[in-house]
Amino acid sequence: EAEVAQSPRYKITEKSQAVAFWCDPISGHATLYWYRQILGQGPELLVQFQDESVVDDSQLPKDRFSAERLKGVDSTLKIQPAELGDSAMYLCASSPTSVHNEQFFGPGTRLTVL
Amino acid sequence: SQQGEEDPQALSIQEGENATMNCSYKTSINNLQWYRQNSGRGLVHLILIRSNEREKHSGRLRVTLDTSKKSSSLLITASRAADTASYFCATDAKGFQKLVFGTGTRLLVSP
Repeated sequence: EAEVAQSPRYKITEKSQAVAFWCDPISGHATLYWYRQILGQGPELLVQFQDESVVDDSQLPKDRFSAERLKGVDSTLKIQPAELGDSAMYLCASSPTSVHNEQFFGPGTRLTVL
Repeated sequence: SQQGEEDPQALSIQEGENATMNCSYKTSINNLQWYRQNSGRGLVHLILIRSNEREKHSGRLRVTLDTSKKSSSLLITASRAADTASYFCATDAKGFQKLVFGTGTRLLVSP
């Protein structure tokens, strides 16, 4: 069964360092999402791509976060510089269309900033 | 702020018992979805109910939706230890153009 792949699964970094997360959605899924999930809370959308275009990045802290999906397939989320408050689970999800039906989630990247 | 609020925050039951969790939301929706998250993992889609539907079943899951009260409930019947997880409702709210997740209910099913 096709799955969303994410790497790394765990990342520990010191504040002010740069980190990057990678996501490979299910083949053929045009829509890709990055979420941040703080421990004990639900996921919050950071950015949504439709193919290679950003559809929604209203909650992305653009002074330190960036996201790209250059060829409309896999995607990278970067944080530079990392801050203590960025410690969270970063989840990638994909769906066949932009209609908000079922989303397929990857296993996530657990980020710890020291 | 998040659209949905789940209740209770935590629920502990024995295997074989039923588990009911509730979700309240704030604005009109196109659909409401329920997801499960095992500890430290990604979310898995369980069921979607559209705004014009009142009840939906999938295996041991039963979801109801009351748009007049802006609330939904998820019932898991004959629970198993493997059902231990966090459960989130997510709303496709009109005008939001994205799924908005609630705060989640942590379910513990003891053997």
